[in-house]
Amino acid sequence: QITLKESGPTLVKPTQTLTLTCTFSGFSLSTSGVGVGWIRQPPGKALEWLALIYWDDTKRYSPSLKSRLTITKDTSKNQVVLTMTNMDPVDTATYSCAHRRGVGTVHNYFDYWGQGTLVTVSS
Amino acid sequence: SYELTQPPSVSVSPGQTARITCSGDTLPKQYAYWYQQKPGQAPVLVIYKDTERPSGIPERFSGSTSGTTVTLTISGVQAEDEADYYCQSADSSSTYVVFGGGTKLTVL
Repeated sequence: QITLKESGPTLVKPTQTLTLTCTFSGFSLSTSGVGVGWIRQPPGKALEWLALIYWDDTKRYSPSLKSRLTITKDTSKNQVVLTMTNMDPVDTATYSCAHRRGVGTVHNYFDYWGQGTLVTVSS
Repeated sequence: SYELTQPPSVSVSPGQTARITCSGDTLPKQYAYWYQQKPGQAPVLVIYKDTERPSGIPERFSGSTSGTTVTLTISGVQAEDEADYYCQSADSSSTYVVFGGGTKLTVL
């Protein structure tokens, strides 16, 4: 059974760096074809893809946020970490991690999701 | 940047058929995926690779594709199908993941 859970601060101040951890079970990020993605959703708005990391440590970032994002994995701990720099109130959203399926590093989609964690950016 | 366009809302009576469209230039070359999201819950994958249905998803959910538009069809809509629906695909190089703006399905 695949499960994912996000953890991190619920409140950050503008200009601070956000660090979120996705802890998962039921799969290994060392298995060929496996990946973990991060997606966010501002309150009342649409899903927005942020980043993806694959079993081979290939990383993909949203072009609009690439300069602010870093995704890493710790295979031994079954964790994926996302950092986002220079946080702004518009970054207030629920941040979710998800198990990725696909072929190689293409045809990406997400079949298991964490419940998400709401991050508020406010001074 | 690459975009997927969905209608903001679709309304249908119980038992009728709901069709939710998603348009994008690379859809003829890239698979589309559909997610259902109910308030306060995580998205659930309901269609993958344009037309495939994951195990556990009711048969009334189906996907189709025609040119630059993909369609999620829900036949015999039930009250429990009221939710937001998002399409997802990729850019032409398969590098980036893109979500549509979402469609709120209202069951009258």
